[in-house]
Amino acid sequence: DAKTTQPPSMDCAEGRAANLPCNHSTISGNEYVYWYRQIHSQGPQYIIHGLKNNETNEMASLIITEDRKSSTLILPHATLRDTAVYYCIVRVYGGATNKLIFGTGTLLAVQP
Amino acid sequence: DADVTQTPRNRITKTGKRIMLECSQTKGHDRMYWYRQDPGLGLRLIYYSFDVKDINKGEISDGYSVSRQAQAKFSLSLESAIPNQTALYFCATSEDRDGNEQFFGPGTRLTVL
Repeated sequence: DAKTTQPPSMDCAEGRAANLPCNHSTISGNEYVYWYRQIHSQGPQYIIHGLKNNETNEMASLIITEDRKSSTLILPHATLRDTAVYYCIVRVYGGATNKLIFGTGTLLAVQP
Repeated sequence: DADVTQTPRNRITKTGKRIMLECSQTKGHDRMYWYRQDPGLGLRLIYYSFDVKDINKGEISDGYSVSRQAQAKFSLSLESAIPNQTALYFCATSEDRDGNEQFFGPGTRLTVL
């Protein structure tokens, strides 16, 4: 699975959009981009995933660049409860072990 | 996620003791996983199970064993606990064959003295 690079931390004002970047320059054609988040000491929570098209669900939007070398997770109206570590994961859909490789992620701090 | 529960939530034990961590799920998923989380290392896969008869080692299975008693239950055992097994342990489940969306339990914080 390809490696991802994320900034270690970001701040965002409450009510504003939070844009979390992820670089995955070695991504392969059959690898998807997944986003999970982990609120302090809780279990990780799935947010969204995509291959090449932009995706949106009730939690967030995922924007993937045309060359697929980077992506951005957008939380449209951040709240204090969105403060968490956000993990960008790249993996083959249906990888042999099904495991998720979590890096160190981005700590998003939403400020009041 | 309340559909995946773990017991105990916290446990302090001594070196050499046997300990079991339990995971139960009401999601009806076939696939279950055990991860451990250490500061700075992210989550690492210990064992995973595709169904009751299928158990597989993950990347750090040494010192651990598992039992899949039923579709809904997946237990992790430390036969003889050692201090470097002090960590936060998570159980997860997935519905789809490929394990892409995984649902995690609240975690068990284990301290081995």
